[in-house]
Amino acid sequence: DAGVIQSPRHEVTEMGQEVTLRCKPISGHNSLFWYRQTMMRGLELLIYFNNNVPIDDSGMPEDRFSAKMPNASFSTLKIQPSEPRDSAVYFCASTLGAGGTGELFFGEGSRLTVL
Amino acid sequence: AQSVTQPDIHITVSEGASLELRCNYSYGATPYLFWYVQSPGQGLQLLLKYFSGDTLVQGIKGFEAEFKRSQSSFNLRKPSVHWSDAAEYFCAVGAPNTGNQFYFGTGTSLTVIP
Repeated sequence: DAGVIQSPRHEVTEMGQEVTLRCKPISGHNSLFWYRQTMMRGLELLIYFNNNVPIDDSGMPEDRFSAKMPNASFSTLKIQPSEPRDSAVYFCASTLGAGGTGELFFGEGSRLTVL
Repeated sequence: AQSVTQPDIHITVSEGASLELRCNYSYGATPYLFWYVQSPGQGLQLLLKYFSGDTLVQGIKGFEAEFKRSQSSFNLRKPSVHWSDAAEYFCAVGAPNTGNQFYFGTGTSLTVIP
């Protein structure tokens, strides 16, 4: 299996620009998670989908962040407008089941730098 | 509330020495427990997991962990550390039917001295 695939691996943008991060979960997995990792705050859950439906988005920092999962094989995380404090590594992870009980499979992450 | 504590931010060990990374959790029910490893520039990879049964679980790369309910702990151990074990290690609790689903510790960074 190809694993969880994220793109882009690296993104450098200027403040105010729109950023779109993409994720392809492992085929057959029905739960998908977006995490953000920074030195200061560690690993933070942004949003969790189950069967393409957002279950918990309480971790989304503010209205500038939005996430979609139009089908079982694709999800996006969008930041508009981006700010320097959004600089972080964003991970997508997927698992089989409702979450909490199975192994999370992580992508390699998207490193975002906002200047 | 659910939480995971990894009291050691950074640990340094010599190659060949034994290793123990600590993890304490707070969860109201029987927990699903995980240890993940993150190499630089990579995502997290599962080392081992505990759901039920034998409280000593074996994982990949020669790691093991022991679940101690009385101490709310799930410490990770390895008898002899290799230089390639240098990485960040995360303990996690699986919490089905909660919003977060998984609660991660803040991680322990391991340095291995040749």
